[in-house]
Parts: sequence; structure tokens; C-alpha cells
Amino acid sequence: GQNIDQPTEMTATEGAIVQINCTYQTSGFNGLFWYQQHAGEAPTFLSYNVLDGLEEKGRFSSFLSRSKGYSYLLLKELQMKDSASYLCAARDSNYQLIWGAGTKLIIKP
Amino acid sequence: IAGITQAPTSQILAAGRRMTLRCTQDMRHNAMYWYRQDLGLGLRLIHYSNTAGTTGKGEVPDGYSVSRANTDDFPLTLASAVPSQTSVYFCASSDTGDSTDTQYFGPGTRLTVL
Repeated sequence: GQNIDQPTEMTATEGAIVQINCTYQTSGFNGLFWYQQHAGEAPTFLSYNVLDGLEEKGRFSSFLSRSKGYSYLLLKELQMKDSASYLCAARDSNYQLIWGAGTKLIIKP
Repeated sequence: IAGITQAPTSQILAAGRRMTLRCTQDMRHNAMYWYRQDLGLGLRLIHYSNTAGTTGKGEVPDGYSVSRANTDDFPLTLASAVPSQTSVYFCASSDTGDSTDTQYFGPGTRLTVL
């Protein structure tokens, strides 16, 4: 079956760095997405990886290893507004997104 | 309108009633999607449409129907609502001509079926 695993909850300190991991098992692979979702709001797109390696976008970076079925989202210089859920999604051979349950990130001052 | 709009924002519905959730996008995206989001679970695809005039079933289509008469609108209908359909419903759209085919989400509809 198809499956996405990511931690349920993480806590970090304002100004620090946090890494949110995601492992995936899909029938075929056509890209890995990360979305941010604040409580009560819609998911918003953060990053997309289809090739191995690191994609950097400001304070956020995303890494992909296709051979390991693994990705991580790295958030630097954490701010209180980064408190949100982070959703990992892999696109399968049918071009459908398979979603993880999300990682709730709590930022403490 | 900018992006995707959904209506209503929230709704309380008696079991057995018929309900249509509306979704409109102004980005001229060819693909549209309906998801439900439940606590502790990932987003689950209900139905999708790759282009106007076509629709397909997702992971959890039972009890739901959709239509795609034009590019902009993609309504989701619950023919006879049941309590297990209590959820937050998100509509999304994407440009399949774009290399990333990123999905963009509407603000959601919170539906409670009693």
C-alpha cells in the first residue's frame, strides 16, 4: 500500500533550527511536496522536490533522497509565526498526491 | 475573486439532507480536486477533474458526486448526508501544464452532520 510517515508533533525554540522528517512509500514517484497549514486555515505550498538534493528557499529548505524514500523540511531562524502543521505529500505514478497526517510544530519563546 | 473560493464557510446539516459545496477558481487551472481532512488523518482525495467535462474518483468517493461543466466551477454534492461525512472539505486546483503541477487550496468548508 501507499504510505507517508511523519512525526505527529515537534517542539522547538524561537530562533533555533528544526528538521521535520518524512518517509514515503508510493507506487511510482513523481515529486514530493511540503505544505504549511495554520490552524483553521488552508494548506499553502512551501516546496517541491523531484530530484535528489537540497532545495533552499529563504529560511526554509527541503531535501529529497529518492533511493531512501525520504525527505525533510528544514526551518531556520524559527519565528513564532512558524507554529503550524507541516504536511508532506508524495505524488504517485497516477499523478495523485498521497498525504501524510502532518507534523504539528510548536514554537516556544 | 483571486484564487479559489468556497461556500459556505461552515454548515450544520441534518442527516439525510442533500448538500452542495461550491468551489470556484479564477486562475484558469485545468485540474480541480476535492479533499476531506479529518483529525489525525492526511488529506484524502474524494473526486478530481483533470479538465472541464471529465471527473474521476479518488480514495474516498462513496456518498459524494461532482460535476465539471466549465473550467472555473467544481461543486461537490452529498446526496444524503451521514454523520461520518462530518469533516473539513478543501477544494484545490492546479495547472497540469506547469512542470510542478502544484495544487493550490481554497479556504475550506467545515461541515457538521448531525
